[in-house]
This record gives sequence, C-alpha cells and structure tokens, in this order.
Amino acid sequence: AQSVTQLGSHVSVSEGALVLLRCNYSSSVPPYLFWYVQYPNQGLQLLLKYTSAATLVKGINGFEAEFKKSETSFHLTKPSAHMSDAAEYFCAVSRGSGTYKYIFGTGTRLKVLA
Amino acid sequence: DGGITQSPKYLFRKEGQNVTLSCEQNLNHDAMYWYRQDPGQGLRLIYYSQIVNDFQKGDIAEGYSVSREKKESFPLTVTSAQKNPTAFYLCASSTPNPGVSTDTQYFGPGTRLTVL
Repeated sequence: AQSVTQLGSHVSVSEGALVLLRCNYSSSVPPYLFWYVQYPNQGLQLLLKYTSAATLVKGINGFEAEFKKSETSFHLTKPSAHMSDAAEYFCAVSRGSGTYKYIFGTGTRLKVLA
Repeated sequence: DGGITQSPKYLFRKEGQNVTLSCEQNLNHDAMYWYRQDPGQGLRLIYYSQIVNDFQKGDIAEGYSVSREKKESFPLTVTSAQKNPTAFYLCASSTPNPGVSTDTQYFGPGTRLTVL
C-alpha cells in the first residue's frame, strides 16, 4: 500500500532563510509525486511534480524538489523564503498514468517570520 | 479561461438536511474527484469518476452520494446520514491520457460547509 508522510505539521522560517519541507513516501511501484500549495480558504495549486524524468524538479515560485529513491524522499526546498510563501503545503503520491487516486500527506503549514 | 468552479463558496445547513455541492469543469477532463479536508488530516477521497455515468467510492464515501451525467459536472450530495459533515470540500479533475498528461489533478476553489 502506498503512503505519504510529511514530517512537521508546522514549520517556521525567517524571511530570506532556506525553506525545507519534508516528504517521505512508500510505494511498491515507481511513483508519481506531487507538491501542492494551499492558501487559506482556497483550493490546491500544483507547485511541481516528479514523473520519472529528472530527479531534480523545478516548480513555480522558486520551489524545487529532489526525488531520492534510496531515501524514499521528495523534500521541497526554496533557497530564500518570502512572506508570500506562508501557506499549507501538501505532498501526494500517485501510482502512475491510468491510476486515478492520489494519497495525500497531512500537510505542513509554513510560517514566514519577518 | 479553463478551470474548475465550485459553488457556493460557503454553505450552511441545518442538521437532518441534504445539501448538494456543485462542481463544474471546462478542461475537457475525463476524471473528476471529491475530497474532504479537515484540519490536520490532509485530503481524503470521497468519490471519483473516471468517465461519464460511472463513479466509484473513495475512502470515506458513507453519507455522501454523487452523479456523473455530464462530462463537465460532478455534483456531491451530503446526506443526513453523514455524521459530521462540517468540512471544506474540494473538487478536482484530471485527464489520464498516456502521452498527454501525467495524472495531474487540478483543483477547484472549494466549498466550506457548516452544519448548524
């Protein structure tokens, strides 16, 4: 069975500091992995996705994530946090094309301190 | 502009009443989904539909019902059998065609349902 674990339900960083949001997955088949961002009372917006092409994936708003099979991880990073990055972030795994279901992590709320 | 619309944004319901949440997409996507979001629990799948006139239960289907009569529409009814319906409901769609996409799900803005 597949699963996703996001370590840290709340993360605080100072403006300009590195953002690191952790995601570990469990999958018996090569996974597709996703990071989404959600601002208060809004839907989810895709940040980036891993689809077995490059292991380092660049997304929108300066975010990137690296797929590490040996560590079953897909951590999200951004070199310099901005106040507008404050939101909730969700990691998700899909079994691949033709499969319609995602498994979502429980989310990490990012707070950016001035 | 292509996208997913959900209405209403806020919905209040009295206990014992059924209520229907609307979800419409003009992305020409085959698959549609309903999720429930509660604080600290992430998103949980209620129902999904891969094609018109077909749908399957997700992980928490009890107390909910859906229909898929048109490709563009996937309404969700929260019935009085749902014990704790107060939550944020999100609709999504995707087009799982090999070579065209990689199962990316696109989300609507959500409906916040409150039971009084």
